[in-house]
Amino acid sequence: AQSVTQLGSHVSVSEGALVLLRCNYSSSVPPYLFWYVQYPNQGLQLLLKYTTGATLVKGINGFEAEFKKSETSFHLTKPSAHMSDAAEYFCAVRGYSGGYQKVTFGTGTKLQVIP
Amino acid sequence: GAGVSQSPSNKVTEKGKDVELRCDPISGHTALYWYRQRLGQGLEFLIYFQGNSAPDKSGLPSDRFSAERTGESVSTLTIQRTQQEDSAVYLCASSPSGQGGFETQYFGPGTRLLVL
Repeated sequence: AQSVTQLGSHVSVSEGALVLLRCNYSSSVPPYLFWYVQYPNQGLQLLLKYTTGATLVKGINGFEAEFKKSETSFHLTKPSAHMSDAAEYFCAVRGYSGGYQKVTFGTGTKLQVIP
Repeated sequence: GAGVSQSPSNKVTEKGKDVELRCDPISGHTALYWYRQRLGQGLEFLIYFQGNSAPDKSGLPSDRFSAERTGESVSTLTIQRTQQEDSAVYLCASSPSGQGGFETQYFGPGTRLLVL
C-alpha cells in the first residue's frame, strides 16, 4: 500500500519569498513521485515527477523537488514566489493495486502569494 | 482540442435523480481514470480503465456508482439516486498505457456536481 501526507493545507508566502511545500510518502515498492498543480477553475497538470536517477528534479515554472529516501520526503520548492504561482498543489505516489499502477494523491496544499 | 474533455462542466440535480458524466480522453490513450474531489479534500480515486475493461473499481463508494468505457474512447460515470454527499468535482484523466507507474496523467477540467 502507499500513502501521501502533505503538511499544511494552506501556505502563504510573500511575493519573492521561498516556496516550500512539504510531502512525505510511504510505499511498499520503489516510489515514483509526482507533483501536480491545479490553477483556479482548471484541471490538474503535471509540475514534475521523480522516477529513477537524479534525486533533484526540475519542473515547469521554476519549481523543483528533491527525493530523499532516508526521510521519505519529496518536498517542492521554488526560490522566489510569483503571484501566478497561487494554486493548489498535490503530491502523489505510484503504487500497485491488483497488478496495475495506481497513483495515490495527497489532500493538497493551497498556496497563497501575498503581494 | 488535443486534451481531455469532460461534459457537462456543471450539473445541478435534485436528490434521488440519476446523473451521467462524460469523459473524452486523449486520442490513443489506453488508460482512463476517474477521481472525485470534494470541497477542501484531496483527490479520491474511483475507478481505472485499461481499454474498455476496469481492473480496478476499488474506489467506487457504493453500488450507486458505475462506469463504462467504449473501447479506448469515451467513458461515462453514472451516479444513480444521487445524494447530497455526492456533490463534488468529478475529474477524469488519461495516460498512454497505464503501465509502469511512471506515466503522467492528463486531467480534464472536471464536472462540478451539485446535488440539492
